[in-house]
Amino acid sequence: DIQMTQSPSSLSASVGDRVTITCQASQDITNYLNWYQQKPGKAPKLLISDASNLETGVPSRFSGSGSGTDFTFTISSLQPEDIATYYCQQYDNLPLTFGAGTKVEIK
Amino acid sequence: QVQLQESGPGLVKPSQTLSLTCTVSGGSISSGDYYWSWIRQSPGKGLEWIGYIYYSGSTYYNPSLKSRVSISVDTSKNQFSLKLSSVTAADTAVYYCARIAAVGPSVMDVWGKGTTVTVSS
Repeated sequence: DIQMTQSPSSLSASVGDRVTITCQASQDITNYLNWYQQKPGKAPKLLISDASNLETGVPSRFSGSGSGTDFTFTISSLQPEDIATYYCQQYDNLPLTFGAGTKVEIK
Repeated sequence: QVQLQESGPGLVKPSQTLSLTCTVSGGSISSGDYYWSWIRQSPGKGLEWIGYIYYSGSTYYNPSLKSRVSISVDTSKNQFSLKLSSVTAADTAVYYCARIAAVGPSVMDVWGKGTTVTVSS
């Protein structure tokens, strides 16, 4: 299985701050990486596919980059409604695997 | 738009079989454009992908659960189902169904709301 290592596991930032989350794959996954947002008590929501492709309707303050083994997810200006846990997920190989998640809180 | 809804018992006894169904509405499970998948999330933990089924019946199971998992599809009811045998407390989780695109990026773009299953005597 491909292991996905996310960091940090949690972070606290102020409204308007730039927030960055990293995800490292245990082997080269090209750009076969998605990012999801999960709010408490809700199902995950797809935000970004193919490492950097923003899904329709997702605010432009969200972005993703990277290829190979190292990926980055960024919120350019943190908003109160962005409080959630964010997960990366690879689809280069089966089984599909997720990172452990990054919980984002407001300072 | 397509919606998914999980259903099934919320409480299962240890050693028994967990059975859940996902009903697809607003679209056909037989479209061929998607795989139909199960994912679970243990309390306070991350996401674990269980496996998927195609409308034809072909399946893939996560090797970590393969010996205990079965996913089936009923195209006439637009449903797919999960069975997990010999459950223990470690199988207590929120279980989600989701669809995965079969063409292009393998994204899980539509999810059910999830159903909580507790394994306890």
